[in-house]
Amino acid sequence: DAGVIQSPRHEVTEMGQEVTLRCKPISGHNSLFWYRQTMMRGLELLIYFNNNVPIDDSGMPEDRFSAKMPNASFSTLKIQPSEPRDSAVYFCASSLGGSENEQFFGPGTRLTVL
Amino acid sequence: AQSVTQLGSHVSVSEGALVLLRCNYSSSVPPYLFWYVQYPNQGLQLLLKYTSAATLVKGINGFEAEFKKSETSFHLTKPSAHMSDAAEYFCAVSPTGRRALTFGSGTRLQVQP
Repeated sequence: DAGVIQSPRHEVTEMGQEVTLRCKPISGHNSLFWYRQTMMRGLELLIYFNNNVPIDDSGMPEDRFSAKMPNASFSTLKIQPSEPRDSAVYFCASSLGGSENEQFFGPGTRLTVL
Repeated sequence: AQSVTQLGSHVSVSEGALVLLRCNYSSSVPPYLFWYVQYPNQGLQLLLKYTSAATLVKGINGFEAEFKKSETSFHLTKPSAHMSDAAEYFCAVSPTGRRALTFGSGTRLQVQP
C-alpha cells in the first residue's frame, strides 16, 4: 500500500487566497483525521471523520476552514480566505477500527501564507 | 479533558547511552497511550502503544515504555542510543470514546557522537 497520500507537499499563497489541501487515506480505513502542526501550538486536531461522516470538528479554527469527505478514498481541507496565521504543516491520518488502533500519517502539506 | 505532559522539550544523550523520555497523562480511567516519532520533514510514525494488554510495551527500533498507573506515567526508554534515533518524539492519548489523538508538546532528542 502507498500509505496516506497528501497533496500538495508545499503550498505558498498570498493572504486572501483560497487554499485546498487533499488527502487519500489508506484503502479500507474508516477513520480520517486532519491535524495541524505549528511551533506555538504543537500538534492539534482539526477534524475527524468516521465512515465519511464528520464526528468532531471542534478543532476547526473558524468559519474560514471547511473539510469534506465525499467518499472513502478522498478528503479535502479548504481555507478561504487564507491568513498568515494559517501557516503550518497540515497532516492527514487514517486508521481502521477503534481508538486503540494506530493512526497512519501522511507526509504533510507545508502551507505558507504571505 | 484527557491530556499528556512531556517533560523536557529537548534531551541530549551520547551515542550508546540510555534514552529516557518522560510522559505523564491525566485521566481517571487508563486511556490508550501512544508514542510517535517524527523525523525531519516527515509525518509521524508509531513507535508503540499501550492498550491495557500489558504494562511493559515493546516497540520498534529497540524502544519500550512502561505504563505505571500509580504514577500516571508512560515513559519511553531505549537502553542504548543510536545516531539514527535523533528525532522528535510525541506522547499521545486517545481519550475515552474519542478516536482522535491528543498530543503532548514533543521532545526533541539529540544524539551526540
